[in-house]
Amino acid sequence: DIQLTQSPSFLSASVGDRVTITCRASQGISSYLAWYQQKPGKAPKLLIYRASSLQSGVPSRFSGSGSGTEFTLTIISLQPEDFATYYCQQLNSYPFTFGPGTKVDIK
Amino acid sequence: EVQLVEAGGGLVQSGRSLRLSCTTSGFSFGDYALSWFRQAPGKGLEWVGFIRTKGYGWTTEYAASVKGRFTISRDDSKRIAYLQMNSLKTEDTAVYYCTRDFTVLDHYYGMDVWGQGTTVTVS
Repeated sequence: DIQLTQSPSFLSASVGDRVTITCRASQGISSYLAWYQQKPGKAPKLLIYRASSLQSGVPSRFSGSGSGTEFTLTIISLQPEDFATYYCQQLNSYPFTFGPGTKVDIK
Repeated sequence: EVQLVEAGGGLVQSGRSLRLSCTTSGFSFGDYALSWFRQAPGKGLEWVGFIRTKGYGWTTEYAASVKGRFTISRDDSKRIAYLQMNSLKTEDTAVYYCTRDFTVLDHYYGMDVWGQGTTVTVS
């Protein structure tokens, strides 16, 4: 199975900050990586697919980059509604595994 | 509006069975693969499995943790997907989500629509 790690696990930030989350895969996954946002008690929401493509309806302050084994999710100018947990997911091979998540909290 | 609504969760004893359903609306059901995920209390997300479309033979894939115990099926005429869960274990306790899958020629890009989830508790 492909293992995903995320860093940091927890991030304290202020509104307006630029935030970067890293996801690393245990083996190459080309660009088959997605990013999700999850708020407490809610289902995840797809933000980014194919590593860098913005899902329809997602604000342009979210962006993704990377390929192979290292990926990043960047949020420029963090907004109050962005405080949530973010997960990366690899879809290169079964099982479709997730990273452990990065919780973004208010400083 | 695209919607997926899970139902069928509840409290069940270890070793028993439960069937979850995922009722959908607002999109061409038969054109999409569908997945099931779960999230144990306070934990991260876990893929359970998926079912492809008719064009790919309605074939399925499963996580090792559920293979042989869980079965995913779909009824394209009713626009419903199912997750049959047998021989349930306490570690199957979780919120279960169904998703519409964003695929291109059987390459998975992500899960673009999620249901609200249904809670399964195995005692």
